[in-house]
Amino acid sequence: GQQVKQSSPSLTVQEGGISILNCDYENDMFDYFAWYKKYPDNSPTLLISVRSNVDKREDGRLTVFLNKSGKHFSLHITASQPEDTAVYLCAANSGGSNYKLTFGKGTLLTVTP
Amino acid sequence: AQTIHQWPVAEIKAVGSPLSLGCTIKGKSSPNLYWYWQATGGTLQQLFYSITVGQVESVVQLNLSASRPKDDQFILSTEKLLLSHSGFYLCAWSLGPNTLYFGAGTRLSVL
Repeated sequence: GQQVKQSSPSLTVQEGGISILNCDYENDMFDYFAWYKKYPDNSPTLLISVRSNVDKREDGRLTVFLNKSGKHFSLHITASQPEDTAVYLCAANSGGSNYKLTFGKGTLLTVTP
Repeated sequence: AQTIHQWPVAEIKAVGSPLSLGCTIKGKSSPNLYWYWQATGGTLQQLFYSITVGQVESVVQLNLSASRPKDDQFILSTEKLLLSHSGFYLCAWSLGPNTLYFGAGTRLSVL
């Protein structure tokens, strides 16, 4: 089954608003959670990541919230801009020497002017 | 600065024909290397990873194989392509097990 799920294939937000992207996971052993951004015809690039020993991490306009009991993490983008329009991929891993980073299917965020 | 180069950029191949995709990383010694694949409309799936020369671990069985003949080179291949092999292939590197840096990818169409 799919270990990392993004249930919303797309999301549209008005410029200046808050974009909230969600990700659910199944594996209790996951302890590393990340968000990657992918423009069309480009490769994914890491935006922000968090380990399971914290439940929130901020970096500029980006905040990752981790809810371990609910097996859920989210990415909040404040003051959304048209250049934030892209596919956002969540990813998780069980850390240690596990080299299997598992990705969700992605959510296409469109920020309208 | 580290660079990752994938070749070819795109391929159109016939069912049953062989395939070889390559990836080279410059500027990093002994990186961890990965192959990922995404079918059209599908999820980015990890196929293989390698943490050292000559050692490759398979994650998903797709009738593909991978090899790491040199520290900076990762090769994905098969002797017989299937229609289901079509998609986008991405090579990536990392130093630890988590933060991946992807190449530009190879788009493969099997007809």
